Amino acid sequence: GAVVSQHPSRVICKSGTSVKIECRSLDFQATTMFWYRQFPKKSLMLMATSNEGSKATYEQGVEKDKFLINHASLTLSTLTVTSAHPEDSSFYICKVRGLTNTEAFFGQGTRLTVV
Amino acid sequence: SQQGEEDPQALSIQEGENATMNCSYKTSINNLQWYRQNSGRGLVHLILIRSNEREKHSGRLRVTLDTSKKSSSLLITASRAADTASYFCATDAGGNEKLTFGTGTRLTIIP
Repeated sequence: GAVVSQHPSRVICKSGTSVKIECRSLDFQATTMFWYRQFPKKSLMLMATSNEGSKATYEQGVEKDKFLINHASLTLSTLTVTSAHPEDSSFYICKVRGLTNTEAFFGQGTRLTVV
Repeated sequence: SQQGEEDPQALSIQEGENATMNCSYKTSINNLQWYRQNSGRGLVHLILIRSNEREKHSGRLRVTLDTSKKSSSLLITASRAADTASYFCATDAGGNEKLTFGTGTRLTIIP
């Protein structure tokens, strides 16, 4: 069964609105989660590392005020795309750090379309 | 920054044939992982090979790693139509699971 649940799987929103994406670790407590972004037919780019109880660490070039990350519990991290623009349309996917580094658990991804 | 390059970018083969995909990277790594992604879907972890390993097998998958050349290959034997997907390599430089993904290979298996 799924270890990581990401919701929603698809969302369409209007420009200027905000969208929240949830990533839940179902089977174990996850102190660290990762958020990736994938443009169509492109590779995945790490956006930020989400740490439970502390501020997220953003990769260079990622606007932290644009992509708000909250990791308030050991099983939930949220990514909020604020004031969405069409260029924010993308596939967003979370990853949970496993109990050992031989495990890798990705969410199912969220297809965001901003119109 | 994106450090992995994969080739070919796209590969089409007949069902039953073997498929080989290659990945090159630029910096030292702790481990290298291969993932499969079906169109518009999430990632499926296929296999992880550590920097001190040279070859690893899992079912019809065979992965090699050459750290001197900073390259890895993924071989899928006896391909099936269900293997049609995009395949990505991803490197973990620090062992902290922050992954840097390659550009991917789009594999199409022709029935």
